[in-house]
Amino acid sequence: TQLLEQSPQFLSIQEGENLTVYCNSSSVFSSLQWYRQEPGEGPVLLVTVVTGGEVKKLKRLTFQFGDARKDSSLHITAAQPGDTGLYLCAGAHLTSGTYKYIFGTGTRLKVLA
Amino acid sequence: DTEVTQTPKHLVMGMTNKKSLKCEQHMGHRAMYWYKQKAKKPPELMFVYSYEKLSINESVPSRFSPECPNSSLLNLHLHALQPEDSALYLCASSQDWKRLNTEAFFGQGTRLTVV
Repeated sequence: TQLLEQSPQFLSIQEGENLTVYCNSSSVFSSLQWYRQEPGEGPVLLVTVVTGGEVKKLKRLTFQFGDARKDSSLHITAAQPGDTGLYLCAGAHLTSGTYKYIFGTGTRLKVLA
Repeated sequence: DTEVTQTPKHLVMGMTNKKSLKCEQHMGHRAMYWYKQKAKKPPELMFVYSYEKLSINESVPSRFSPECPNSSLLNLHLHALQPEDSALYLCASSQDWKRLNTEAFFGQGTRLTVV
């Protein structure tokens, strides 16, 4: 069972379209991070959301943290081919008295020119 | 400086070889991590070091041996690997793994191929 489930798994869209990626959990997280990863490279941190209901904007990317801090979303406006990559949510989760930094299942985005 | 440096970037090794992966950060972070990532999958946690002590070992086979010589360096020693161990190995660091709002910074990874 994955603690952080992302949907959709795959997304192929045309340049200029909008899209939303979801990250859901049955557990409460103190914060969630979003990363983007390109093939053969390490994940690059995009944003951290901390407060329930928080909305953060990074140019054409809008990140939201659910009120109950169990879910988050990433919305991309007017997608561009440079947005292509693997999007991962992640967070620190307390399991059996130990914090583990875990990743979501990932959303692979392809933006076609 | 939010850089985590991993070397080498690519490594091909035979099943009888001994090799090491290296990771370095100068952000003053006290937690360092090794992750393994197979193609088209999210990273999977292998080890966590906190204040240079091994805090988590996710039941990783003993052919993988981590080492943290000091607060800036993290090594992963490899011996008698199997072809299925071929993957992207990622190093990461964060201020403190028990902080509530942990942000991890990742290196570019080492692409390991076992032949």
